[in-house]
Amino acid sequence: DSGVTQTPKHLITATGQRVTLRCSPRSGDLSVYWYQQSLDQGLQFLIQYYNGEERAKGNILERFSAQQFPDLHSELNLSSLELGDSALYFCASSPRPFATNEKLFFGSGTQLSVL
Amino acid sequence: KNQVEQSPQSLIILEGKNCTLQCNYTVSPFSNLRWYKQDTGRGPVSLTIMTFSENTKSNGRYTATLDADTKQSSLHITASQLSDSASYICVVSYWGSSASKIIFGSGTRLSIRP
Repeated sequence: DSGVTQTPKHLITATGQRVTLRCSPRSGDLSVYWYQQSLDQGLQFLIQYYNGEERAKGNILERFSAQQFPDLHSELNLSSLELGDSALYFCASSPRPFATNEKLFFGSGTQLSVL
Repeated sequence: KNQVEQSPQSLIILEGKNCTLQCNYTVSPFSNLRWYKQDTGRGPVSLTIMTFSENTKSNGRYTATLDADTKQSSLHITASQLSDSASYICVVSYWGSSASKIIFGSGTRLSIRP
């Protein structure tokens, strides 16, 4: 158990809909990262937050947004969903921004299926 | 362009055999290189982390090597076990204009056969 909790584990929805994925980082970790992993694809970095503020942005679509709350949990909002958004979405956390020798701890992911 | 490439894409070996997975990268300036193991449907789990000055790091039956000059890394698995069946992902961190950045390789899917 990595200590990173993601909910829900599975989500099935229709095109055009909006969903929210939730992540609770490990106790004490201030930095949260979101990744997308499509079928047979590598992990694609979406966005990073550190202590409530956006720190880095990757290949995140404009239809997607995220935030980190004062209690450090984070939410990834996906709107106007398309079939191609179906993927495994991972959250990871680390104590500080991704610094040398610092491990990333991954949650078990949320499997999103857009029908 | 900053890239991380892994080979082979997939590999099948018999239980008890050794294997070596490769990772080539072109990122600059390099910060560190990590190997992760990802079981199907689970989040990646860190195996090793190496900085520029380290050329080998072991974690049980897993040994990672790094050649910062040629920008190559390998992950050697000794005496493979069925539980080693997973995807192995090479992750390279480098320094961007304002923060550390990360690139994930696409992974090598390893299958161990009894």
